Amino acid sequence: EIVLTQSPGTLSLSPGERATLSCRASQSVSSSYLAWYQQKPGQAPRLLIYGASNRATGIPDRFSGSGSGTDFTLTISRLEPADFAVYYCQQYATSHTFGQGTKLEIK
Amino acid sequence: QVQLVQSGAEVKKPGSSVKVSCKASGGTFSRYAFSWVRQAPGQGLEWMGGIIPIFATAKYAQKFQGRVTITTDESTSTSYMELSSLRSEDTAVYYCAIWAIEGWFDPWGQGTLVIVSS
Repeated sequence: EIVLTQSPGTLSLSPGERATLSCRASQSVSSSYLAWYQQKPGQAPRLLIYGASNRATGIPDRFSGSGSGTDFTLTISRLEPADFAVYYCQQYATSHTFGQGTKLEIK
Repeated sequence: QVQLVQSGAEVKKPGSSVKVSCKASGGTFSRYAFSWVRQAPGQGLEWMGGIIPIFATAKYAQKFQGRVTITTDESTSTSYMELSSLRSEDTAVYYCAIWAIEGWFDPWGQGTLVIVSS
């Protein structure tokens, strides 16, 4: 099983700042089969990024994904109040596993 | 754009089973595969399994093999997830999602809370 480790566990930033979230895999994720989701309290997850770097429909361009192999990054260029949430990475190269999440909170 | 609406919250006794439904609208049902993901209180996301209706093929996470059954009913555009031998650790919100052929999940249903308690 591919284990995904997200860091940091909690990230405290202010609106307007840049957020960088990391997702590290225990083994290489082939073909960059990695997605990112945003989840707000009481809501279902929402797909942000698939294929490591492709934005899902309707996702603003301030969200970007990068990386390959075992190291992946989600960057939010200029934080808006609506961006404060929990973010999960998911690999779908070998079955499906999720990271434990990064909570992005307002500083 | 397809939308998913799940059945309501359930309270179950340990040892019993629960069956959660997920009704799709706004698309061609036979084109979609469905996955089920659960989230225990305050915890992360856990994939349980999924089904590809046109192949009538279900795949399950090893952890849930033998305890979970995922099915679809094309006549009602609904996917079902049944979990048996419930224990308190199965208390969670259960989500269905459209399973893209490449592997990601989008969109998701609103979630169904299942509480297992004596």
